Amino acid sequence: SAVISQKPSRDICQRGTSLTIQCQVDSQVTMMFWYRQQPGQSLTLIATANQGSEATYESGFVIDKFPISRPNLTFSTLTVSNMSPEDSSIYLCSVVNKKGPEAFFGQGTRLTVV
Amino acid sequence: AQKITQTQPGMFVQEKEAVTLDCTYDTSDPSYGLFWYKQPSSGEMIFLIYQGSYDQQNATEGRYSLNFQKARKSANLVISASQLGDSAMYFCAMREVSARGSARQLTFGSGTQLTVLP
Repeated sequence: SAVISQKPSRDICQRGTSLTIQCQVDSQVTMMFWYRQQPGQSLTLIATANQGSEATYESGFVIDKFPISRPNLTFSTLTVSNMSPEDSSIYLCSVVNKKGPEAFFGQGTRLTVV
Repeated sequence: AQKITQTQPGMFVQEKEAVTLDCTYDTSDPSYGLFWYKQPSSGEMIFLIYQGSYDQQNATEGRYSLNFQKARKSANLVISASQLGDSAMYFCAMREVSARGSARQLTFGSGTQLTVLP
């Protein structure tokens, strides 16, 4: 398995500000993903974090709102920019490695925008 | 069309009894994987069990088993001997494999909230 450290675990932010979420993995992984889970909803993929290049965003998500970095094989950040109350969600980092098919998840970041 | 369908928003089960959580999927890819995750109220996603599309036998992991019926495109999770700690949201998910053979991201169902009664 992979051990994933995601920070912060929760935050309350003012609208109009930005928050950067960090995801650190204890081993090299092939793929890293960022998901959003709105209150009472399922998980929706925001983007695939690509090492050394721009992330691949899903429909409805744009780089200006959710810039993502992945400088190496074990670390990625997601920034939620110019936040509004609609951005209040759990944000989850997920990784896949070569050892098995399952995806592992960080503990999640519970974001509340006021 | 939804790729993963979970038709049970909520389920109740008596402690020590078995429960089945339903999941149907839709894909035209011959190679895919099916997963079940548990999400307690703390929010973390816990991997439970995996079934590959070419696997001949149903997957089992301790008290969890996956009832895989390929022709019906269903992948139901069976939890035996339910425990109070099993109360959580359960998500079914699928990963399709691209034409180049690389794994794609997971697509999740809407989830089933399981409550185990003492």
